[in-house]
Amino acid sequence: EPEVTQTPSHQVTQMGQEVILRCVPISNHLYFYWYRQILGQKVEFLVSFYNNEISEKSEIFDDQFSVERPDGSNFTLKIRSTKLEDSAMYFCASSDLSNQPQHFGDGTRLSIL
Amino acid sequence: RKEVEQDPGPFNVPEGATVAFNCTYSNSASQSFFWYRQDCRKEPKLLMSVYSSGNEDGRFTAQLNRASQYISLLIRDSKLSDSATYLCVVSYNQGGKLIFGQGTELSVKP
Repeated sequence: EPEVTQTPSHQVTQMGQEVILRCVPISNHLYFYWYRQILGQKVEFLVSFYNNEISEKSEIFDDQFSVERPDGSNFTLKIRSTKLEDSAMYFCASSDLSNQPQHFGDGTRLSIL
Repeated sequence: RKEVEQDPGPFNVPEGATVAFNCTYSNSASQSFFWYRQDCRKEPKLLMSVYSSGNEDGRFTAQLNRASQYISLLIRDSKLSDSATYLCVVSYNQGGKLIFGQGTELSVKP
């Protein structure tokens, strides 16, 4: 069964450094998403991406965050200057049609020191 | 009021038990409804979509009541492998963000 893949599985970064989280969505999918989950809390939406542009973003997704689809397969989330509170699991998701369920990657654990 | 609210749990049940999870959502414009399960520190995995007429998948039955803004999940004959956190999830529009409840933890004991 096709799956969403994310790299790295765990990223440890010093506060203030830039970090890029990578995702390869399922190949025929058109809608892409990033979510995060702080330890012990619920999953929160960050951003959705369709047709090479952001379609929606949350309050969490401020100027420090950006997304990119640099080629036909990768979908990246960049955090420019990380803060301690950015420590969380980051999940990428994709779906093929607008009314279909989203499928999640196994996440990147981001630890900011 | 939280956008999606679930039973706080945890639920501890013996194998073979029937267990029901309840969920309410605040936005009457919500269009899509799902149950996901999440194992400890893993990604959410789709369990089932929830349709207005109610739907069943093996031991799992989901119900939606739009008038009451209420969603339920029933698990029959629970197995040890059903132990996980069950996430109630809604979406306001097609292609849009998923809004997660905080989850209800289920522990099935031998």
